[in-house]
Amino acid sequence: DVVLTQSPLSLPVTLGQPASISCRSSQSLVYSDGNTYLNWLQQRPGQSPRRLIYKVSNRDSGVPDRFSGSGSGTDFTLKISRVEAEDVGVYYCMQGTHWPQVTFGGGTKVEIK
Amino acid sequence: EVQLVESGGGLVQPGGSLRLSCAASGFSFNSYWMTWVRRAPGKGLEWVANIKEDGSEKYHVDSVRGRFTISRDNAKNSLYLQMNSLRAEDTAVYYCAREGYSGYDTLPQVDYWGQGTLVTVSS
Repeated sequence: DVVLTQSPLSLPVTLGQPASISCRSSQSLVYSDGNTYLNWLQQRPGQSPRRLIYKVSNRDSGVPDRFSGSGSGTDFTLKISRVEAEDVGVYYCMQGTHWPQVTFGGGTKVEIK
Repeated sequence: EVQLVESGGGLVQPGGSLRLSCAASGFSFNSYWMTWVRRAPGKGLEWVANIKEDGSEKYHVDSVRGRFTISRDNAKNSLYLQMNSLRAEDTAVYYCAREGYSGYDTLPQVDYWGQGTLVTVSS
């Protein structure tokens, strides 16, 4: 199985400051079609997961542009340029390259200092 | 608007059975792969099973294969998960999710999630 390792586990951030979450894969996430199926999810308290970013750097509809994704191969990053109160929650990376055996990172809890 | 509403969760004894349902609306259900994902208490997300648009292909994670079965009824826009021989470690919130394609993708990716239904396996 592909293991995704996220860091940090917990991320206290001051409102208006940037935040960065790392996701490292145990295997390359580049698929034979040239795409890299690495996605980022947000799960706010009491809500279901919501996809923010797909294929490394593409924002889903309605996602604020303060969220951005980058990376390649086995190393990926989710950045929030200026954290807002509504960004509190747990963030997961998720790989779909080795579909149907999709796997998830362990999650990073973003909280306000 | 895509909506996925799960039901059927509850408390069940070890060795028991439960059938989860997911009612889909707001999209052409028979045009999408569908999947179940779970999150056990204090743990991360785990993919459980998925099923092709017409139900002709199904995949299950090793830990549930032979005990759980995913199915769908396109006439009712519904997805199901039959869970037999339940164990304590199956205790989790179970999410129904849609798998969609973006652009010229080869692989479908989870793009919408339901609210989840809690399954508790305990005596």
